[in-house]
Amino acid sequence: EAQVTQNPRYLITVTGKKLTVTCSQNMNHEYMSWYRQDPGLGLRQIYYSMNVEVTDKGDVPEGYKVSRKEKRNFPLILESPSPNQTSLYFCASSFGTNSPLHFGNGTRLTVT
Amino acid sequence: DQQVKQNSPSLSVQEGRISILNCDYTNSMFDYFLWYKKYPAEGPTFLISISSIKDKNEDGRFTVFLNKSAKHLSLHIVPSQPGDSAVYFCAARWRGNQFYFGTGTSLTVIP
Repeated sequence: EAQVTQNPRYLITVTGKKLTVTCSQNMNHEYMSWYRQDPGLGLRQIYYSMNVEVTDKGDVPEGYKVSRKEKRNFPLILESPSPNQTSLYFCASSFGTNSPLHFGNGTRLTVT
Repeated sequence: DQQVKQNSPSLSVQEGRISILNCDYTNSMFDYFLWYKKYPAEGPTFLISISSIKDKNEDGRFTVFLNKSAKHLSLHIVPSQPGDSAVYFCAARWRGNQFYFGTGTSLTVIP
């Protein structure tokens, strides 16, 4: 089944403890991106990647890192999480930016 | 600053009637627009899209209209069905690789 898989679905952590949210797609998509969804703000793009080893900042990249060492994986790294990064995170992928995005089911992150 | 706005947080429609969801944007450089539908505890799923060179695109019960001069996008669902009840997001593409999303409109179709 074609899908974007995010793990974990839920994560509660404390301020400053490094964490990684994984994202994997099995559709051979070139384009991948991360979004956060907050009440009243919709989905905001954090980082995106046009292909392996090519990443760039989206609208709200502060406090996040990404890597794209393989085509299928695009992990989101929070080196020192803070409470304002408490949010619902979505990973998405597509063949290119002319194609619709396929989204994962989301990761609910709480930073205390 | 929100570049894509959905000013109606919620909408209720009777089954069988038309649902009209609206979206406004500020950046005239957006060149591709999409609508996504989202159920609780799931990621958004693609519904329909339109290029900035067109003013209408249809797919079954779903039609998207684009008014570039007004910087306005709308999604029409006819006839509305209870299964259409979900949150709808509009999105716009900029510079070919960045996407901006609206805040969403929660549609309830009443049987």
